[in-house]
Amino acid sequence: NAGVTQTPKFQVLKTGQSMTLQCAQDMNHEYMSWYRQDPGMGLRLIHYSVGAGITDQGEVPNGYNVSRSTTEDFPLRLLSAAPSQTSVYFCASSYRGRGQPQHFGDGTRLSIL
Amino acid sequence: EDKVVQSPLSLVVHEGDTVTLNCSYEVTNFRSLLWYKQEKKAPTFLFMLTSSGIEKKSGRLSSILDKKELFSILNITATQTGDSAVYLCAVEARLNGGTSYGKLTFGQGTILTVHP
Repeated sequence: NAGVTQTPKFQVLKTGQSMTLQCAQDMNHEYMSWYRQDPGMGLRLIHYSVGAGITDQGEVPNGYNVSRSTTEDFPLRLLSAAPSQTSVYFCASSYRGRGQPQHFGDGTRLSIL
Repeated sequence: EDKVVQSPLSLVVHEGDTVTLNCSYEVTNFRSLLWYKQEKKAPTFLFMLTSSGIEKKSGRLSSILDKKELFSILNITATQTGDSAVYLCAVEARLNGGTSYGKLTFGQGTILTVHP
């Protein structure tokens, strides 16, 4: 049971490049989400999904796209990378029922030059 | 706008000390408050609190929620160097005005350093 798996662990991009951060979970969790963590600001919600085919925006969605074609996978796409998107990105998942905490992947450290 | 504030932002103690970390919040459609411990990688889940006045305990760690005063505390007794980490408080609320929950708003975190 691998839990929440994120790839890659590190990535350096040039401004304007696009890329996809991968997130997969093997716990059959309905709810998945993406956060970014910046120094002094805690984690902020980018996008989330309550099930396959259903996604919605979080607190800081601009510059990012998501899709949820399967229960297991929830990729995050950067359309045209900007230096302001330099951050550590975490994917999380949980069951939708009451009392179910979100479990986090190990993160992707992304630098945009 | 939902808001979670943690204090202190950093804390340095010696092994054996007891520490109290604070978390206050202003959240619409509150469902639960969660504490996570973050070392070098993923935040790992510690506690989920939904009811006031009921202490959750796990070994040397304990936490309690006051829904009237909108705060929670995390206590760590007999601290060890392995307790050194960032402790994150998050509050769960409804997603975008709908009926589903899952939106987590995090505080800035408290950096705890325990010296031998």
